[in-house]
Amino acid sequence: KNEVEQSPQNLTAQEGEFITINCSYSVGISALHWLQQHPGGGIVSLFMLSSGKKKHGRLIATINIQEKHSSLHITASHPRDSAVYICAASGGGADGLTFGKGTHLIIQP
Amino acid sequence: ETGVTQTPRHLVMGMTNKKSLKCEQHLGHNAMYWYKQSAKKPLELMFVYSLEERVENNSVPSRFSPECPNSSHLFLHLHTLQPEDSALYLCASSQQLVSRAAGPNTIYFGEGSWLTVV
Repeated sequence: KNEVEQSPQNLTAQEGEFITINCSYSVGISALHWLQQHPGGGIVSLFMLSSGKKKHGRLIATINIQEKHSSLHITASHPRDSAVYICAASGGGADGLTFGKGTHLIIQP
Repeated sequence: ETGVTQTPRHLVMGMTNKKSLKCEQHLGHNAMYWYKQSAKKPLELMFVYSLEERVENNSVPSRFSPECPNSSHLFLHLHTLQPEDSALYLCASSQQLVSRAAGPNTIYFGEGSWLTVV
């Protein structure tokens, strides 16, 4: 069974700071997903990656398959980035995603 | 707007009630999922359907009963629930099953249904 660990669990930063959220998993996967959940509950898929690096606007996701580790970076953070960021792994024998507990990010103006 | 719509958004029900959650996707996806999110816990997979056939049931109590009448609709029927079943129930869909996708297979989530059992 795949275990997905995220850190930190909670992060408060000032507007403009560079943010890093880390994710590690225990078994081989087919893809690693980064998701964003807003207070209303809805979840948006930010990235799905199986190798290397992806960038979308101010968001960057990287993955190191050998080390079973992924990071989500936010550059020039803004209060609207405040949300819960969830790392999830697909593969490892499961039909659905295996989720981390999430990182609760607050960006203060 | 992710293309996955859940209703109702909020539901309060008694322990003896019978209610249903509905999920609809118009993305042409073949796989649909029910997830449960309880306070302070990671999202948990409940049920997986692929082409209207149930693929996985993650040891979910029988008081939760899924139904997938076609590839666009997924229901979760609720009966004699317990207060500890209060949670956010999320529906999701993807083009293929997560486990069988060889290429890009983004998963799309609905807004969720907040369930309170009293």
